[in-house]
Amino acid sequence: GENVEQHPSTLSVQEGDSAVIKCTYSDSASNYFPWYKQELGKGPQLIIDIRSNVGEKKDQRIAVTLNKTAKHFSLHITETQPEDSAVYFCAASKGKSSGDKLTFGTGTRLAVRP
Amino acid sequence: DVKVTQSSRYLVKRTGEKVFLECVQDMDHENMFWYRQDPGLGLRLIYFSYDVKMKEKGDIPEGYSVSREKKERFSLILESASTNQTSMYLCASNPGRPYGYTFGSGTRLTVV
Repeated sequence: GENVEQHPSTLSVQEGDSAVIKCTYSDSASNYFPWYKQELGKGPQLIIDIRSNVGEKKDQRIAVTLNKTAKHFSLHITETQPEDSAVYFCAASKGKSSGDKLTFGTGTRLAVRP
Repeated sequence: DVKVTQSSRYLVKRTGEKVFLECVQDMDHENMFWYRQDPGLGLRLIYFSYDVKMKEKGDIPEGYSVSREKKERFSLILESASTNQTSMYLCASNPGRPYGYTFGSGTRLTVV
C-alpha cells in the first residue's frame, strides 16, 4: 500500500520566518495531496490541497509544491505567526480506486517563537 | 457550517468492556472513516465505509468492528477493550470524490 514519510517531526521558527515541511510518497498512482493543521484539542482541518495535474498552489501565506517525478510534495508557510503553531499532517490518496482513503504522514509539530 | 460530531470527547473504560464510539455527519457524505492517532505514528486507518451497510478494513482493523446503518452515522466498536487501544480516535467524512476529509474533534479513549 501507500506509504507517506514526513519530515521534520518538529520545527521551531522565529515569528516572521518561513517554515517548510516535506513529504514523500511511494505509490505513483496517488493523485491527491492535502495538508491538515491540527490545533490542540481539535481534529485536523484541511488547509490546502493539490492534485497531480498541478505543480504548485498558493493561498495567501501558504503554498504547496508537488514533484511527481520525485514523488514528493512540500508545504511552505511564509511570514509565520504564533497562531501557525500546530501539528501539520500531509496525506496522499489514489482517489476512487482506493475508496478515497487518505494515507497520512506522521506529523510535524511547528512552534513559532514570538 | 458542516459538521462531523463525535459523541464523546473523553472516555474511560475498563479492560474487557465493549465500547461504542459514535460519529454523525450532517453533510450527506458518502464516505466515512475511523482513524486512531498516536504520538509518532500519525493517523492510521481502522475502517472505512463508502455506503450504508458497506465497510472495508483499513490498515489496523484488529480488535475493532464498525456499523453503518444510516448514511449519517458511523460507529466504531471495540469488542473487548484492551489497554493498547488507549488512543485518540478520529472520525472523518468526505463526499466520495478526491476531496479532503472533514474531521470530528476526536474521542480520547483511556482503557484501564
